[in-house]
Amino acid sequence: DGGITQSPKYLFRKEGQNVTLSCEQNLNHDAMYWYRQDPGQGLRLIYYSQIVNDFQKGDIAEGYSVSREKKESFPLTVTSAQKNPTAFYLCASKQGGGEQTQYFGPGTRLLVL
Amino acid sequence: QQQVKQSPQSLIVQKGGISIINCAYENTAFDYFPWYQQFPGKGPALLIAIRPDVSEKKEGRFTISFNKSAKQFSLHIMDSQPGDSATYFCAAGPYDYKLSFGAGTTVTVRA
Repeated sequence: DGGITQSPKYLFRKEGQNVTLSCEQNLNHDAMYWYRQDPGQGLRLIYYSQIVNDFQKGDIAEGYSVSREKKESFPLTVTSAQKNPTAFYLCASKQGGGEQTQYFGPGTRLLVL
Repeated sequence: QQQVKQSPQSLIVQKGGISIINCAYENTAFDYFPWYQQFPGKGPALLIAIRPDVSEKKEGRFTISFNKSAKQFSLHIMDSQPGDSATYFCAAGPYDYKLSFGAGTTVTVRA
């Protein structure tokens, strides 16, 4: 089955700890995205990547970092600098060549201990 | 600064009724307007999308109406069913890689 997988489903972070959220896609999509979802605020863009080894900051990049070493993988690290990390994190991907539809993974819920 | 404003925040409709969700945007460079449906604990899934060259698009019980001059678009869910109970997001984007999302509308369909 083609699709986007995110792991883990739930993640717990201690104060001062960095944690990494995994996102993998086997759709051969060029672009990948990370969004943060909070109640009543919709989806806010953290980072996105249009091609391998290149990525851009979204609207709320502070306290987060990403890498895009492989086309199918786009991990997100929530650093200790992110003071309010509790949220639902969604990864998405999109085909290139003018296609605009983004496809979402099942999400990771991050909680702070 | 939210580029897409969505209303209402929530609505309750009886089974068989019509649900209407409205969105407004400011950026005239936007030319792609999708709607996503999200169930609790799941990722959003594309429901229906429209380009500004048409004023209406229908897929089954779901219809998008688009008013380019007013910079508004809306989702109508006809004959609402309990299985339609979900959160709906509108979004808008220019012809590049970024979408701006509305805040979402939680729809509850009562049997």
